[in-house]
Amino acid sequence: SQTIHQWPATLVQPVGSPLSLECTVEGTSNPNLYWYRQAAGRGLQLLFYSVGIGQISSEVPQNLSASRPQDRQFILSSKKLLLSDSGFYLCAWTAGLGQRGTDTQYFGPGTRLTVL
Amino acid sequence: SQQGEEDPQALSIQEGENATMNCSYKTSINNLQWYRQNSGRGLVHLILIRSNEREKHSGRLRVTLDTSKKSSSLLITASRAADTASYFCATKPPGTYKYIFGTGTRLKVLA
Repeated sequence: SQTIHQWPATLVQPVGSPLSLECTVEGTSNPNLYWYRQAAGRGLQLLFYSVGIGQISSEVPQNLSASRPQDRQFILSSKKLLLSDSGFYLCAWTAGLGQRGTDTQYFGPGTRLTVL
Repeated sequence: SQQGEEDPQALSIQEGENATMNCSYKTSINNLQWYRQNSGRGLVHLILIRSNEREKHSGRLRVTLDTSKKSSSLLITASRAADTASYFCATKPPGTYKYIFGTGTRLKVLA
C-alpha cells in the first residue's frame, strides 16, 4: 500500500533562517506531487506541483522554492524565512498519468511551521 | 488562484442529527471531491462524484452535484462526535494538474 511521509511534524524557526521540508512517497511510481500551505482556519493554497523528476510548477511567486531530486521525493525550501511563511504545510500525491485513480489526492500528516 | 466556496463556514449540531454542507465552484470539472481534515492533521479523501453523476452514496455520506449551478452538497446522516472536523470540496479543471480547494466548513458535533 502507498504511504506518504512528511517531516518534521513541527518546526519553529527565526526570521531570516533557511527552511527545508521533506516529503516522500512509498508504494507508487511516477506520482504527481504537491505542496500546499494552509493558514489557520483557512483553505489550502497550492504552492508547487511536480509531474516528474526535476519538473516543478510554481503557483504563487514568493519566498519559497521546491525541488524533486528523486521520483518520490519532494522538498520545499527557503533561503530566508519571513513571518508570513508561518502556516501548516501539506504534501500530497496523486497517481501519475495513465494510472488508476489519478484524481484522488493523498495527503501527508503536515508540518506546522512557526516563524518568530 | 480561484477558490471554491463552502457554506456554511461553521456548523454546530447535536449527535444524531444530519449535517449538510454546500460547495460552489467556478470552472468546468470532470469530477468533484470531498475531503475531511481533523484538527492539525492532513486531509483524507471521502468521496468523488463525476460530472455525469447527480448523486452518490458512501456509508453515511451522500453527495449531490449540480453542474448547471456549479454546486455540490455533502450530507452526513446520523452524525457522531467523531465526525467533528473541517470538510473541503475540491475540483481539478480538465487538462490541468492543479486542484482548487474550497474554503471549508468546520463541523462540530456535540455529544
